[in-house]
Amino acid sequence: DFVMTQSPDSLTVSLGERATINCKSSQSLLYSYNNKNYLSWYQQKPGQPPRLLIYWTSTRESGVPDRFSGSGSGTEFTLTISSLQAEDVAVYYCQQYHTTPWTFGQGTKVEIK
Amino acid sequence: QVQLQESGPGLAEPSETLSLTCSVSGSSISNGHYWNWIRQPPGKGLEWIGSIYHSGTTYYQSSLESRVTISVDTSKNQFSLKVMSVTAADTAVYYCARGRAQWLADDAFDIWGQGTMVTVSS
Repeated sequence: DFVMTQSPDSLTVSLGERATINCKSSQSLLYSYNNKNYLSWYQQKPGQPPRLLIYWTSTRESGVPDRFSGSGSGTEFTLTISSLQAEDVAVYYCQQYHTTPWTFGQGTKVEIK
Repeated sequence: QVQLQESGPGLAEPSETLSLTCSVSGSSISNGHYWNWIRQPPGKGLEWIGSIYHSGTTYYQSSLESRVTISVDTSKNQFSLKVMSVTAADTAVYYCARGRAQWLADDAFDIWGQGTMVTVSS
């Protein structure tokens, strides 16, 4: 199985500052035939289901604010919140859909300083 | 808009079978998407359980495959999950979710149900 490892486990950032979450896959998520990395990011607030933020590594889902961006390729990926807002307090998960079983990172908790 | 709603007993006894249903509204379950079950133990991360296409094609988490069955009822616009021989380790919030793109099993999950808590206890 593909193992997804996020860092850090938790992150405390001041309002308006940048938050960066890393995700590392045990194997490459890149398919050369279409040059796509099969990696998505989710946001989960307490008591709510996860919300899809980004798919194909860097494509924002409809309605997701542009302060959220994704980057990376192969085995190393990053979710960046360019200017943290109070409503961004949540746990963030990366997920690979390159090879079944689809697997998630352990989550990164983002809090306000 | 498309909505998913999980239903089923909130309590299961050890060694019994856990059964849940996901009702899809606002879209036909036969419109080309894959439909998934994902669970989250209390205070822990997310685990994909498996997925199904309207044709009945399924994919399962390898560690659960011997105990899990996912089925689809297109006439009711629902899909279901059965987990056999449950233990306390199966205690979790169970979510159903839609695969984002049509015709692709390998894609992100764009629409989720609210989740249903299932506790395994005698």
